[in-house]
Amino acid sequence: KQEVTQIPAALSVPEGENLVLNCSFTDSAIYNLQWFRQDPGKGLTSLLLIQSSQREQTSGRLNASLDKSSGRSTLYIAASQPGDSATYLCAVRSQGAQKLVFGQGTRLTINP
Amino acid sequence: DAGVIQSPRHEVTEMGQEVTLRCKPISGHNSLFWYRQTMMRGLELLIYFNNNVPIDDSGMPEDRFSAKMPNASFSTLKIQPSEPRDSAVYFCASSFRSAVDLRSGANVLTFGAGSRLTVL
Repeated sequence: KQEVTQIPAALSVPEGENLVLNCSFTDSAIYNLQWFRQDPGKGLTSLLLIQSSQREQTSGRLNASLDKSSGRSTLYIAASQPGDSATYLCAVRSQGAQKLVFGQGTRLTINP
Repeated sequence: DAGVIQSPRHEVTEMGQEVTLRCKPISGHNSLFWYRQTMMRGLELLIYFNNNVPIDDSGMPEDRFSAKMPNASFSTLKIQPSEPRDSAVYFCASSFRSAVDLRSGANVLTFGAGSRLTVL
């Protein structure tokens, strides 16, 4: 059974800093991994999707990496801004499955 | 496109009452997912449909929960009777999956804004 863990559960940093969010998963036989953003009281917005054959994906100030063999992914946010404050969730789709298994999320606060 | 539309956005009900949550997926999407989010358990998949057919309902917690998708543009999640422990935010999500997507795993889920349920 696939399990996804995100560390830390919460993170608070000053504006302008670069930061890394971590995601680990127990079963390395995956199709893909997605990073989502969730604002308070809102739904989830997909940020990046990394296929199992890829090592990283970039979108603007965001860069997500994937190391299947070690069961890890990181989301790197460059030059953080207060508008980046949200909960970031990592989700994995295992091979042979259609559903996504989510981590508990990291609640990020960027202080002006 | 207005995205995935869920209703109601908020519902407060008393224990024992029937609750019906509704979802309209993005037009053209052929897969629909119902998730539940709580502080304790995070996001959990309850059930998903491909082409209006339920594929995996192993996440449905009890017989009190049921879901239907009578057509490609509408789905319901019903709880009868409701209990306080059902209080959560229920999300609907949709995606388009082709045969290639199913093999490659390429899919992006689009989530609705959620329905916040409080059972007193």
